[in-house]
Amino acid sequence: AQSVTQPDIHITVSEGASLELRCNYSYGATPYLFWYVQSPGQGLQLLLKYFSGDTLVQGIKGFEAEFKRSQSSFNLRKPSVHWSDAAEYFCAVAPNSGGYQKVTFGIGTKLQVIP
Amino acid sequence: DTEVTQTPKHLVMGMTNKKSLKCEQHMGHRAMYWYKQKAKKPPELMFVYSYEKLSINESVPSRFSPECPNSSLLNLHLHALQPEDSALYLCASSPIPLLQGTGVGNSPLHFGNGTRLTVT
Repeated sequence: AQSVTQPDIHITVSEGASLELRCNYSYGATPYLFWYVQSPGQGLQLLLKYFSGDTLVQGIKGFEAEFKRSQSSFNLRKPSVHWSDAAEYFCAVAPNSGGYQKVTFGIGTKLQVIP
Repeated sequence: DTEVTQTPKHLVMGMTNKKSLKCEQHMGHRAMYWYKQKAKKPPELMFVYSYEKLSINESVPSRFSPECPNSSLLNLHLHALQPEDSALYLCASSPIPLLQGTGVGNSPLHFGNGTRLTVT
């Protein structure tokens, strides 16, 4: 069965600093990988996704993620964090066959941005 | 603005009440989902509909009853809920239908903003 691990429950960074949120997955083959962001009381917004091809994926709001098969990782990065980036970030995985019916989410990383 | 609309935004109900959550999308998606999210937890899949037919039920108690009257609408009927059912209920849609295609799609789940449910 697929699973996702986000080892950092809570991260605090200063505004303007760089950010890296970690994500490791467990799956028999290369799955589909996603990063979602959730602001308090809101639904989830897709930041970026990886299906195949180039392992460095660009997303919205200046985020990028790199798929590393050898490490089973899909870490999210941003070179300079803005105060508006404070939110909950979820890494997610879905099987690469049969569609998106079972998207599994990690536990989430709460990002706090300090001035 | 989200393209998946959920109503109501907030709902408070007693354990003997019957209520319904509604979800609507006009993106032409043929797969629709219900997720449940408890505080400080990730979303958990409850149900999936594909072409208006229920294709996945993640062993959800029968006090939750989904309904998909057409390709744009998804309802979740609630009856005799427990306080532990209090959560954020998220609807999502996807243009990839279940059990169809090769799985090589380009469109992920589109989420609504959720209904915050409190059971008293």
